[in-house]
Amino acid sequence: DAGVIQSPRHEVTEMGQEVTLRCKPISGHNSLFWYRQTMMRGLELLIYFNNNVPIDDSGMPEDRFSAKMPNASFSTLKIQPSEPRDSAVYFCASSFELAGGPLNEQFFGPGTRLTVL
Amino acid sequence: GEDVEQSLFLSVREGDSSVINCTYTDSSSTYLYWYKQEPGAGLQLLTYIFSNMDMKQDQRLTVLLNKKDKHLSLRIADTQTGDSAIYFCAAAGNKLTFGGGTRVLVKP
Repeated sequence: DAGVIQSPRHEVTEMGQEVTLRCKPISGHNSLFWYRQTMMRGLELLIYFNNNVPIDDSGMPEDRFSAKMPNASFSTLKIQPSEPRDSAVYFCASSFELAGGPLNEQFFGPGTRLTVL
Repeated sequence: GEDVEQSLFLSVREGDSSVINCTYTDSSSTYLYWYKQEPGAGLQLLTYIFSNMDMKQDQRLTVLLNKKDKHLSLRIADTQTGDSAIYFCAAAGNKLTFGGGTRVLVKP
């Protein structure tokens, strides 16, 4: 298996532009997570999906952020409009979870480094 | 909700032992994990311990769990320059919560 795939690996955009980050989880996994990592705030969980359904989006910073999972093999995280403070590394992770919550090992993608000028 | 805390930074000389500490708040956490993040990469699972254990050893890694104090530690024996990375602990209660990470710098 290729592992969790994220694209693009690097994104540089100007303030106000729309940014879309993409993730392909590991085949057979039923849970998908979006994280943001910055020096100031460390690793933050933004949202997680189980069986394509958003379960906990309490970490999504504001309405400018939205995430979708239209099927088991694809998810997007969209920022519109983007702001310089959104600059961070965004990680996608997936796992296989039995009923009861996200307890098992999460496999992380390589991340997308976003820079908003 | 769960709160997981780690020290920010650890500097250690090559060949010495490193000890990274972590505290968590949810006493119902069933699994506790240690992840490693190398520069420019995502997190990778290093090891884990189930909450009914107090120690687990895996080659150079030793995990100690004090469930009463909700304290977890990771000891790396004979630390090498390749061990320089950020180490995250994570506690699995009703969800998996990561600490902020400890940056370990190994000096030759």
